[in-house]
Amino acid sequence: QKEVEQDPGPLSVPEGAIVSLNCTYSNSAFQYFMWYRQYSRKGPELLMYTYSSGNKEDGRFTAQVDKSSKYISLFIRDSQPSDSATYLCAMGAYAGNNRKLIWGLGTSLAVNP
Amino acid sequence: GAGVSQTPSNKVTEKGKYVELRCDPISGHTALYWYRQSLGQGPEFLIYFQGTGAADDSGLPNDRFFAVRPEGSVSTLKIQRTERGDSAVYLCASSLTAGMNTEAFFGQGTRLTVV
Repeated sequence: QKEVEQDPGPLSVPEGAIVSLNCTYSNSAFQYFMWYRQYSRKGPELLMYTYSSGNKEDGRFTAQVDKSSKYISLFIRDSQPSDSATYLCAMGAYAGNNRKLIWGLGTSLAVNP
Repeated sequence: GAGVSQTPSNKVTEKGKYVELRCDPISGHTALYWYRQSLGQGPEFLIYFQGTGAADDSGLPNDRFFAVRPEGSVSTLKIQRTERGDSAVYLCASSLTAGMNTEAFFGQGTRLTVV
């Protein structure tokens, strides 16, 4: 079993839909949770960052972390065609010199006009 | 430059050859990271530098892989005796500090193909 599981999709939604993306993980030491967006042939770019459990909102994006269930989510409201990309979850324990992020496979999202 | 720059953008090499991949981080960023991303996979951590020193190299797959950052800025990832399984996109990222809530900015990657 991988440390981080993420359904690769692909996910296809109409413009304006609410998108829900999820990851599960097995390592209870993870404290830092990120969502990255990656366009084709580009490097990942950070969308949302959350420490420990809770919710965080930024514009159309909401990140949720449930450490008791080892489950994180990213919601995208009023999705736009420009949101079409691969969304990757990443997480880390960041103890001592450990700055290693463990990543999901990424979910491919297509938002259709 | 405004962002992390990686060169070359594409590299094709023959099995058994030596390659060097270069990363120019954002000016002033002290932390630098190398990741490897295979097709359809998420990035896989290789090594992390704080200044000139490798603070964590636990992700390097074997002793054919080595990375340096001699002046605390540019970094080079070196792969000896390349194998077809080394084919992947090699991503570099930098952050202002190694703090836990400091954003890391990624370059576009070097696409390495070993034939």
